[in-house]
Amino acid sequence: SQTIHQWPATLVQPVGSPLSLECTVEGTSNPNLYWYRQAAGRGLQLLFYSVGIGQISSEVPQNLSASRPQDRQFILSSKKLLLSDSGFYLCACQKLGLAGSRELFFGEGSRLTVL
Amino acid sequence: AQKVTQAQTEISVVEKEDVTLDCVYETRDTTYYLFWYKQPPSGELVFLIRRNSFDEQNEISGRYSWNFQKSTSSFNFTITASQVVDSAVYFCALSGVTFGNEKLTFGTGTRLTIIP
Repeated sequence: SQTIHQWPATLVQPVGSPLSLECTVEGTSNPNLYWYRQAAGRGLQLLFYSVGIGQISSEVPQNLSASRPQDRQFILSSKKLLLSDSGFYLCACQKLGLAGSRELFFGEGSRLTVL
Repeated sequence: AQKVTQAQTEISVVEKEDVTLDCVYETRDTTYYLFWYKQPPSGELVFLIRRNSFDEQNEISGRYSWNFQKSTSSFNFTITASQVVDSAVYFCALSGVTFGNEKLTFGTGTRLTIIP
């Protein structure tokens, strides 16, 4: 079964600084990959998803960008962080199977605080 | 468009009580998938169950059970004899079946607190 690794687990960044969150997947190939953000005490907001290398779909206009340089690597970036970028970022992997599997498997999350 | 509603924002029950988490969904698809996830205090979302829309059999897994009723567009989750370890935020989600329709739409979650 697949394993999703995210890092860093926690980071505190000043407003205006750049950001790079990395997600790597083990144990599967050609997965769909997702970035979600969860504000404190809130639900999950889908930020980006990718069905393959270099293919990124953005769900909401924002200060963030995503890239997928390799099949099992998904990166979330920002050139200049805003206070509103604070939150808990979750990477998820989806392997579409003949049995109809659609479930997402999540990484441990990265908690970002922008000061 | 798809929508998932979890009307219960927070629930508190005393340990060993049964508790049901409600989930109501909207979709124009005739076939779809429904899911439940658990988010413990550590933050990582844990997959609990996937249900296909053409299978309305209720499912039981230990103390967990799920009641899928297509007629009322509901997919409720019951924990029997609750334990403190069940304290978490629970999310219900919905996805399509066809290619290009795989994204999950999540509800806003229900925070469940089990009081010892």
